Amino acid sequence: DADVTQTPRNRITKTGKRIMLECSQTKGHDRMYWYRQDPGLGLRLIYYSFDVKDINKGEISDGYSVSRQAQAKFSLSLESAIPNQTALYFCATSDFIQGANTQYFGPGTRLTVL
Amino acid sequence: AQSVAQPEDQVNVAEGNPLTVKCTYSVSGNPYLFWYVQYPNRGLQFLLKYITGDNLVKGSYGFEAEFNKSQTSFHLKKPSALVSDSALYFCAVRDGSSASKIIFGSGTRLSIRP
Repeated sequence: DADVTQTPRNRITKTGKRIMLECSQTKGHDRMYWYRQDPGLGLRLIYYSFDVKDINKGEISDGYSVSRQAQAKFSLSLESAIPNQTALYFCATSDFIQGANTQYFGPGTRLTVL
Repeated sequence: AQSVAQPEDQVNVAEGNPLTVKCTYSVSGNPYLFWYVQYPNRGLQFLLKYITGDNLVKGSYGFEAEFNKSQTSFHLKKPSALVSDSALYFCAVRDGSSASKIIFGSGTRLSIRP
């Protein structure tokens, strides 16, 4: 987990505020991902990036945006936070060996929107 | 469409007994299957994966998983459970439409009683 770091680890904010969650990695992977975790729903993909010039929407991208500032940095923004965005957010990187993209996760950011 | 199902929300096992956490999948083409574990207040950790070859895959912490093509299953197993195995376990499958994406199951909470 130390290879993928996330800041902040916890954040409480109010409806309508802009929030940025940051992710950094030292694994040297090109692929990076943002997920959200809600109880009973597993992990759902928000955005993913193959490299600095490549950004792709996941299954629940509405209300979110991302920026890939460098190979090692991938940030997630909530332009105007709403209460149903309260969740646990994970950043991940992946390798791609023999066609299998094993994911390596950060420790998560617990976001509460009041 | 690719999908993965974990039919049990919770599995309870006595310490020292064998454990099984079930997973079934639906994919087009060859399946790439994964198991991850999440301990409290931590990100997901990779346990093991199946790409090809032997149907029995060995992973971290003494876990193994059996790939069964005819039953489209990839159950996680351990011969002798430890209290420290108590955690949330996720099965995942590589998305056939995009090799860089992973689809996660909803998770199974494993509880090992002393």
